[in-house]
Formats: sequence, C-alpha cells, structure tokens
Amino acid sequence: AQSVSQHNHHVILSEAASLELGCNYSYGGTVNLFWYVQYPGQHLQLLLKYFSGDPLVKGIKGFEAEFIKSKFSFNLRKPSVQWSDTAEYFCAVNAQAGTALIFGKGTTLSVSS
Amino acid sequence: DTGVSQNPRHKITKRGQNVTFRCDPISEHNRLYWYRQTLGQGPEFLTYFQNEAQLEKSRLLSDRFSAERPKGSFSTLEIQRTEQGDSAMYLCASSGQFLDYGYTFGSGTRLTVV
Repeated sequence: AQSVSQHNHHVILSEAASLELGCNYSYGGTVNLFWYVQYPGQHLQLLLKYFSGDPLVKGIKGFEAEFIKSKFSFNLRKPSVQWSDTAEYFCAVNAQAGTALIFGKGTTLSVSS
Repeated sequence: DTGVSQNPRHKITKRGQNVTFRCDPISEHNRLYWYRQTLGQGPEFLTYFQNEAQLEKSRLLSDRFSAERPKGSFSTLEIQRTEQGDSAMYLCASSGQFLDYGYTFGSGTRLTVV
C-alpha cells in the first residue's frame, strides 16, 4: 500500500526566508506526485504536480518541487516566503491516473511579517 | 467558486441519527472521490467512482457508510447511526481521466455529532 510521510509538522519562518518541506512516499512503482495547499478557511488547492519528465516542477505562486526517484522524495521549495503563504501544505501520491490520492498528514507553515 | 460543490457546508446531528451529504463535481469529470479529514490530519480516502461505478472503498468506510453516484453525475454520502467519532470534514473531489488539472476539491461538509 502507498503511504506518504511529511517530516515537518509545523514550520515557522520569517518573511523572505527560504522554504523546504520534506515529503517521502512509499511505493515501488511509478507514481504521480502532488502538492496541495489549504489556506485558512479555504478548500484544498493544487500547487503543482509531477507525472513524468523533468524532475524539477514549477507550480503556482513561486513554488517548485523536485522529484528524486532514488530517495522516493518530492520536496517542496520556495526561495522567499511571504506572509500570505501561511497555510497547510499536503503532499499526495497516486499510483495511477484516476485512482485515489493518498495524502500525507500535512505541514503547517506560519510566516511572520 | 471551486467548481466542486458540496452541501450542506455544516451539519450538526445527534448521535444515532442518519445524515446525507451531497457532492456535485465538475461536469466534465468522470471520476469522483470522497475523503474524510480530521484536525491535524491529511485527507483520508474513503471511496471513489468512475461514472456511476464505485471502484474502490477504503477499509475506513464501515458498513454504516454508503455512497452512491446515480447516473454518474452528483454523489451522495450517507452515514447511518452516526457516532461521535464520525465528526470530521467530509471532502469531495473530482478529476478527469488524464488529470490535466489534478484533482479538484470542494469546500467540504463539516459534520459535528453531539
């Protein structure tokens, strides 16, 4: 069975600091990888996704993620965070297009201005 | 407007009562998913449909839970004989066949069992 591990439960940063959120998955085959964000009081929104090709994926709002197959990792990065990035971030994986996404437990990011 | 609509937004019910939630997916999407999310946790998969066929059910989906998607359009999730442990946010998502835009989530139905 697939599983997703997000190492950081709560990250606190100052504005302009760099961000890296860890995500590792457990599955031996080909996977599709996703990062979702949930702003306070809002629904889950897709930040970026990786299916194949260039392992460095760029998403919305300046976020990017790098797929490292040998490490089963898909870490999320942003060079300079803003106060508006305060939210909960979820890494998710599925083994086949159209099947259920399996989510990690999430990382809460708090950015102080 | 997320494109995936869930009703009601909030539901408070007494333990032992039945509740039903509705999800209207994006019209072009043939796949529909139900998730449950509790505080401090990521969404947990419950079940999913391709058109009207229910293709997978999680072991989290006890016998008290049932989901339908008649005619492959909207879906309903019913919980019978609710328990306090059922209190959670119930999320619905939909996707197309090729995931061009990923999975689109609704705003959820927050269930409180008292």
